[in-house]
Amino acid sequence: DSGVTQTPKHLITATGQRVTLRCSPRSGDLSVYWYQQSLDQGLQFLIQYYNGEERAKGNILERFSAQQFPDLHSELNLSSLELGDSALYFCASSPRGASTDTQYFGPGTRLTVL
Amino acid sequence: SQQGEEDPQALSIQEGENATMNCSYKTSINNLQWYRQNSGRGLVHLILIRSNEREKHSGRLRVTLDTSKKSSSLLITASRAADTASYFCATAFYNTDKLIFGTGTRLQVFP
Repeated sequence: DSGVTQTPKHLITATGQRVTLRCSPRSGDLSVYWYQQSLDQGLQFLIQYYNGEERAKGNILERFSAQQFPDLHSELNLSSLELGDSALYFCASSPRGASTDTQYFGPGTRLTVL
Repeated sequence: SQQGEEDPQALSIQEGENATMNCSYKTSINNLQWYRQNSGRGLVHLILIRSNEREKHSGRLRVTLDTSKKSSSLLITASRAADTASYFCATAFYNTDKLIFGTGTRLQVFP
């Protein structure tokens, strides 16, 4: 158990809908990362937050947005969902958000868009 | 595109054998990390090697880094069935804190 929690575990929805994925980092970790893992694209970095502020952005679509709240939990919002958004979405946390940090991954949310 | 590319994509060995996975990357890095992922689960950190290090050990794991060739290798010695998983390298671009994961090697260890 990494100490990172993600909810929900599974999500099934239809194209065009909007969903929110939630992540609680390990106690004491200030940085949160979001990743998307699909069969054809591998593990893609989406976005990183540090202490409530966006720190780095990856291949995140405009239809996706994220935020980190004062209690350090984070939410990833996916809107106008398409079939291709079906994937595993992972959240990870680290103490300082530095590249030398170990990232601790949550169990993931499996999103299926029908 | 992915910063790191692992080779081979898939590897099957018998218990007790050694497994070697390679990672190549394209630009200068601060450090390189290896992670393991059991099927459908979250990734677990294995080891970090900094750009000024050439070799690092952790238990049955040995990681090497050759910055002149922009490549790293992960050696798992005396493999066990429980080592069956996907292994990813992750590189941090020079002067950034962003980790970019490679495509992964799927290791299958048969008992």
